[in-house]
Amino acid sequence: QVQLQQSGPGLVKPSQTLLFTCVISGDSVSSKSAAWNWIRQSPSRGLEWLGRTYYRSKWYYEYAVSVKGRITINSDTSKNQFSLQLNSVTPEDTAVYYCASLGGRDVFDVWGQGTMVTVSS
Amino acid sequence: QSVLTQPPSASGTPGQRVTISCSGSSSNIGRNTVNWYQQLPGTAPKLLIYNNNQRPSGVPDRFSGSKSGTSASLAISGLQSEDETDYYCAAWDDSLTGWVFGGGTKLTVL
Repeated sequence: QVQLQQSGPGLVKPSQTLLFTCVISGDSVSSKSAAWNWIRQSPSRGLEWLGRTYYRSKWYYEYAVSVKGRITINSDTSKNQFSLQLNSVTPEDTAVYYCASLGGRDVFDVWGQGTMVTVSS
Repeated sequence: QSVLTQPPSASGTPGQRVTISCSGSSSNIGRNTVNWYQQLPGTAPKLLIYNNNQRPSGVPDRFSGSKSGTSASLAISGLQSEDETDYYCAAWDDSLTGWVFGGGTKLTVL
């Protein structure tokens, strides 16, 4: 059974960098049938897909247009985890952040516990 | 503003059938399958319907999905009090090259 355990800050100052990690158990970040995603949710923007990484003989990193240029997703096979880095945050980035796996049925079938992030000075 | 459009609220009485719509475009619902998620307060969304009309194991057959053109619907029959929560549709968007969601519908059981 796949489980995702995410960790990250609850408070970040404007212009700083937000960094989250998501540790995978029960599967491999190098799985050739899964993709590893970051999604956030806020009252103003609703559910918003931020990006994903997956391995299909090589690594792929795909990002949402809304955050492209500020976002980096990395994978770490030695720790079986993936990470989210979001630069130059503003109060608009205040949200609950989730990591989630996209399985063979092309659905977000496993989610992390979610972390509320507030961007404020 | 969400790419997929859902009514912000819906309601029904116990035992009634309610439907929640999800409207998109040719680049998302028109070309790709639709998934529905149920989100209880304070928890992550949970998969309810996938591939337009498929139920994962454990989801009651009171829940059903359909798709036509650039729109999709979630139907809940035999409404129960525990169905009172938020529902979201989602689809891949070929133009945006990413997943898009509806704004969510809050279902109230009167």
